[in-house]
Amino acid sequence: AQTVTQSQPEMSVQEAETVTLSCTYDTSESNYYLFWYKQPPSRQMILVIRQEAYKQQNATENRFSVNFQKAAKSFSLKISDSQLGDTAMYFCAFIIPNGGYQKVTFGTGTKLQVIP
Amino acid sequence: DTGVSQNPRHKITKRGQNVTFRCDPISEHNRLYWYRQTLGQGPEFLTYFQNEAQLEKSRLLSDRFSAERPKGSFSTLEIQRTEQGDSAMYLCASSLAAQGTPSFNQPQHFGDGTRLSIL
Repeated sequence: AQTVTQSQPEMSVQEAETVTLSCTYDTSESNYYLFWYKQPPSRQMILVIRQEAYKQQNATENRFSVNFQKAAKSFSLKISDSQLGDTAMYFCAFIIPNGGYQKVTFGTGTKLQVIP
Repeated sequence: DTGVSQNPRHKITKRGQNVTFRCDPISEHNRLYWYRQTLGQGPEFLTYFQNEAQLEKSRLLSDRFSAERPKGSFSTLEIQRTEQGDSAMYLCASSLAAQGTPSFNQPQHFGDGTRLSIL
């Protein structure tokens, strides 16, 4: 069975500071894709960043970057220069392609509060 | 592009009643997903369609749940004989899977969700 664990239910960070959200996962598959999604209060879930498991280079998207450690099955999200608009629930997820089908597993989320 | 649209935004109903939700994906997207999200939890995958074909269903989708996407555009999710435990946010997402290309890394675009409350 595939599982995703986000061990930090809530976190806070001062505006302009850096914060890292942790995510670990468990799967026996070798080919999969990892994502971080952001869900602001009462708003749509949107994709923040994604990482292909076969790529060693960590993905970066502006102020967002990941630290992907495949052997450790770890996929943490670093947010630099935190902004008030970063306040949201953050979900780690992975997708395993299986004959064209997709098994999608989400973590329980980390609630991030950016403090002015 | 108006994004993924879900209706209604909220649904309150008595236990035992049937409910139906609608999802209109982004127009060119051929994949459509349904998720359920309860308070304090991440989304749980329910089912997904490629065009009109329902390709995968989670074990969470009991016999009381049925989803359709008859013309490969909008989709409906029906819950029959609702129970207290069905209270949740039901999310719809869509993505574009281009034929002949690795499709599993295409991002999913989510709607606002339909919040179901069972009295």
